[in-house]
Amino acid sequence: SQKIEQNSEALNIQEGKTATLTCNYTNYSPAYLQWYRQDPGRGPVFLLLIRENEKEKRKERLKVTFDTTLKQSLFHITASQPADSATYLCALDKRTGRRALTFGSGTRLQVQP
Amino acid sequence: NAGVTQTPKFRVLKTGQSMTLLCAQDMNHEYMYWYRQDPGMGLRLIHYSVGEGTTAKGEVPDGYNVSRLKKQNFLLGLESAAPSQTSVYFCASSYPQRVGGGDEQFFGPGTRLTVL
Repeated sequence: SQKIEQNSEALNIQEGKTATLTCNYTNYSPAYLQWYRQDPGRGPVFLLLIRENEKEKRKERLKVTFDTTLKQSLFHITASQPADSATYLCALDKRTGRRALTFGSGTRLQVQP
Repeated sequence: NAGVTQTPKFRVLKTGQSMTLLCAQDMNHEYMYWYRQDPGMGLRLIHYSVGEGTTAKGEVPDGYNVSRLKKQNFLLGLESAAPSQTSVYFCASSYPQRVGGGDEQFFGPGTRLTVL
């Protein structure tokens, strides 16, 4: 069956360190993968998109990698800050042409000052 | 520019009652979606629409109906609410600007629904 797996346990790191979150998937061949941030009581907010033919994408302190052989995406936040504390969701497409996404359950990141 | 708004923010229903959730967007987006979010299960697509007057089923459509009579509005209806429909409901919209998909989705603030 198709699965998207994100670490359900919270990731706790110290301010200034690099946070690395993992998104693994099985039985998908996505054309692209997206990362979203979700704060408590709010809707997700888009952060980054990476396509299957791209290995890495960067935006300010954020970096995403996409390994279609390992079926894995890594999401990095460098020089993390307490304001980065949130739940991070990965989402991918199913190549159905309908532009709908399938989301992972998210990983909660807690950055300690 | 309000983005995506959802009404109401909270609602408590009794089993068997009906209600309609309203989603509105002011970004002239073609695509609109309804998701539900449950603990540990991520966002699951209920129904979606690729334009005014069109709707399609997502992953978990049973027990829900939708309508898109106007481009800016997407309604989600529960005809006979069940406790299993207790969830947080999110509406989202997107504009198909990227060839091959991958358009970012803009989400509303959510509606927290409890069915007793």
